[in-house]
Amino acid sequence: DSGVTQTPKHLITATGQRVTLRCSPRSGDLSVYWYQQSLDQGLQFLIQYYNGEERAKGNILERFSAQQFPDLHSELNLSSLELGDSALYFCASSLSRVSSPLHFGNGTRLTVT
Amino acid sequence: AQTVTQSQPEMSVQEAETVTLSCTYDTSESDYYLFWYKQPPSRQMILVIRQEAYKQQNATENRFSVNFQKAAKSFSLKISDSQLGDAAMYFCAYRTTTNNDMRFGAGTRLTVKP
Repeated sequence: DSGVTQTPKHLITATGQRVTLRCSPRSGDLSVYWYQQSLDQGLQFLIQYYNGEERAKGNILERFSAQQFPDLHSELNLSSLELGDSALYFCASSLSRVSSPLHFGNGTRLTVT
Repeated sequence: AQTVTQSQPEMSVQEAETVTLSCTYDTSESDYYLFWYKQPPSRQMILVIRQEAYKQQNATENRFSVNFQKAAKSFSLKISDSQLGDAAMYFCAYRTTTNNDMRFGAGTRLTVKP
């Protein structure tokens, strides 16, 4: 168990809809990362938050947004969903040191129909 | 752009044999860390091994070891005495002090034959 909790595990929704994915980091970790993994693909970095503030941005679409709350949990909002947004979305957390590995949640499987 | 390249989309190994997965990376940073992650069919991401770029000694974790060639920007993973449970996707990744996020390669799918 990585200590990172993601909810929900599965999400099925229709095109054009909006969903929110939730992540609770490991105790003590201030950094939260979001990644997207399409079928049989690698992990695409979306965005990173550190102690409530956006730290780095990857290939995140304008239809996607995220935030980290004072209790350090994070939410990833996906809107105007398209079929191509179907993927496994991972949240990971780590200590601020660059030597620290990322600890991943089990992911949220999003299916857009 | 900083990138990670895994040139072997798929690899296969006989149980109890040894296999090496390749990874090259491109960064202009001098301070960075390299990682291998395993993703079994359950899709969990599991840390396998970590290497500090400033250390010349190759990291080892039980049956897993790395061959780190800093000048060549190469970071291969060797799995000895392969077991059926080693079958998974393996991702190489790095993290720098400038780009605090972790960048991943496309992955290598390892099959272990009994």
